[in-house]
Amino acid sequence: GESVGLHLPTLSVQEGDNSIINCAYSNSASDYFIWYKQESGKGPQFIIDIRSNMDKRQGQRVTVLLNKTVKHLSLQIAATQPGDSAVYFCAEGLIYNQGGKLIFGQGTELSVKP
Amino acid sequence: DTAVSQTPKYLVTQMGNDKSIKCEQNLGHDTMYWYKQDSKKFLKIMFSYNNKELIINETVPNRFSPKSPDKAHLNLHINSLELGDSAVYFCASSHSGTGDTQYFGPGTRLTVL
Repeated sequence: GESVGLHLPTLSVQEGDNSIINCAYSNSASDYFIWYKQESGKGPQFIIDIRSNMDKRQGQRVTVLLNKTVKHLSLQIAATQPGDSAVYFCAEGLIYNQGGKLIFGQGTELSVKP
Repeated sequence: DTAVSQTPKYLVTQMGNDKSIKCEQNLGHDTMYWYKQDSKKFLKIMFSYNNKELIINETVPNRFSPKSPDKAHLNLHINSLELGDSAVYFCASSHSGTGDTQYFGPGTRLTVL
């Protein structure tokens, strides 16, 4: 159904600082996790993913950490740039769930101050 | 070189009308999806198709009928539009339905008056 509650969580950082965006996922059976970036007026864009047999994965300027014990996922962005300003979503799924269903988190709006 | 494209980008219509949104992917993927994003940015899957076959239907009202004429296209037809249907609808595709990256289209903003 529809989301409920308050406004989208917001994280405001200074250009050049590191950003950490957190996400709590819901299904302890989920074994595939993805971070997406959505800029205003555009569709979600894949950033990085991680499978449940790993606890850390690094990409270019981004790192995803997975803590299965507490069902927590985080996205770290190094040296944040104005172009990183967007809404960031975590999503969870089951690798072998036919149909590829992903459950998206609420989203966090990242604002980078120059 | 648009990978996943949707038309139209914007759709404004009156309650009770019937409308369609089209989606095409040129990635050679087998699986396509429709998602709905509400005003609070909450993104929820509606349908997925694998090679023209319906795999997921997330208790969407039967006023919504997806149609996949071939595996590169997944259209969404909506009958008797209601105010609550106003949202941004995203099409996506992936290589298969098993743990592959989903690539999203640019979205269609539907406004029902």
